[in-house]
Amino acid sequence: AQKITQTQPGMFVQEKEAVTLDCTYDTSDQSYGLFWYKQPSSGEMIFLIYQGSYDEQNATEGRYSLNFQKARKSANLVISASQLGDSAMYFCAMRRGNQGGKLIFGQGTELSVKP
Amino acid sequence: DTAVSQTPKYLVTQMGNDKSIKCEQNLGHDTMYWYKQDSKKFLKIMFSYNNKELIINETVPNRFSPKSPDKAHLNLHINSLELGDSAVYFCASSFPGGSATGELFFGEGSRLTVL
Repeated sequence: AQKITQTQPGMFVQEKEAVTLDCTYDTSDQSYGLFWYKQPSSGEMIFLIYQGSYDEQNATEGRYSLNFQKARKSANLVISASQLGDSAMYFCAMRRGNQGGKLIFGQGTELSVKP
Repeated sequence: DTAVSQTPKYLVTQMGNDKSIKCEQNLGHDTMYWYKQDSKKFLKIMFSYNNKELIINETVPNRFSPKSPDKAHLNLHINSLELGDSAVYFCASSFPGGSATGELFFGEGSRLTVL
């Protein structure tokens, strides 16, 4: 069975510093996709970044990068130069295969950025 | 233009009532989903439709009945509401097989409170 684990219920980071949010996953599939979503206090779910299991390079999107370690089955999100607006819940998610389909979500990490 | 829109955004009702949440997407996606986010922020898939056909039906009480009149709409009807149904319900859509990432696009959520 597939599973996503986020072990940090809450994290604090100083503004302008970098922060890493942990995500480990469990799957026996060879082909899968890993996602990070942000949920601010307003409630919407915002897609941040995607990593395919066959992608050799770590994904990057602006200040977001995904530290993908396939052997360790981890897909940590790194946010560089944190901003106050980064304060939110962050969810790691996984999808089977390389096509669209349901996402399985982790428990989430609440990130608070301090001024 | 809102990509995935849900109505209503807030719903407060008494136990035992029946209520519906509507969802529409204008992204041209083939697949739509209902996710439930509980009080601990955990997101879990309930249903998925691909081109009006039910393809995923997780272990959800049969008081919940999704309906997809066309591929742009997915509604959720809930009968005999219970206290435990209080949650935020997210509609989402994706384009399986045609998108490099296949990420889900979420609506803003519908917060259901059962008293």
